[in-house]
Amino acid sequence: KAGVTQTPRYLIKTRGQQVTLSCSPISGHRSVSWYQQTPGQGLQFLFEYFSETQRNKGNFPGRFSGRQFSNSRSEMNVSTLELGDSALYLCASSQTPTGEGNNSPLHFGNGTRLTVT
Amino acid sequence: GDSVTQMEGPVTLSEEACLTINCTYTATGYPSLFWYVQYPGEGLQLLLKATKADDKGSNKGFEATYRKETTSFHLEKGSVQVSDSAVYFCALIGSNYKLTFGKGTLLTVNP
Repeated sequence: KAGVTQTPRYLIKTRGQQVTLSCSPISGHRSVSWYQQTPGQGLQFLFEYFSETQRNKGNFPGRFSGRQFSNSRSEMNVSTLELGDSALYLCASSQTPTGEGNNSPLHFGNGTRLTVT
Repeated sequence: GDSVTQMEGPVTLSEEACLTINCTYTATGYPSLFWYVQYPGEGLQLLLKATKADDKGSNKGFEATYRKETTSFHLEKGSVQVSDSAVYFCALIGSNYKLTFGKGTLLTVNP
C-alpha cells in the first residue's frame, strides 16, 4: 500500500509569491491534516479536512488555506509569502477524523520543504 | 489550551545505554497520548500510544505509561541502538480534536 505522498519535495519561492502544495493520502483514508514544522516553533497544526470539509483549523493567518477533493487528495495554498513561512510542511492522513473512533493513527508524508527568499 | 512539554535535547547515549525522555502535558479532560519518531529526511511515524490512564504503550522495545496523577508520559527504552537515533515527539489529542506536539528531542546513539 502506497504511503502518503507529498509533492513537490522542495520549493524555493520569493516573498510576495504564492505556493500550492499537494498531498495524496493513503488509499481509503478520508482525513487529511497539515502541519508546519520549524526549528523555532516545532510542529504546529494548520488544518484538517474530512470528506471535503474543513473540520478543524489552527491559529494561522488567512493567507494559509486548503481544500480537499472528492478523491481525498488535498492541497494547501499560501499566498503573499513571507520569510517566516519557510518551513517543512507535513501532511498526514487517517481513516477517521482526529480524535474520533479509536484514534486511528495518523500516517505522515515526508513533507515539502519550502524556502522563501 | 492543550500543551506538551518534553525534555530538551540533544540527548547523546552510547549503544546499549538506558533511555528516558520526559514528557508532561496540560489538557482538559482525558487526552490520548502518543510518541512519534522522525528519522532524518522523513516524516513522522507513530511509535506508541495510550488512550487512558495507566495504559502502557509499547513498540520496538520502547515503552511509555499514561500517568494521569502526574500528567506524564515518559518514553523509556532499556537498551538503545544506533538505529534509534532520531527526533522523538510527545503529543496528545485533547478535547479540541487537534494533535498537539512537544518541541521534540534529538537522540543520538553512538556505537
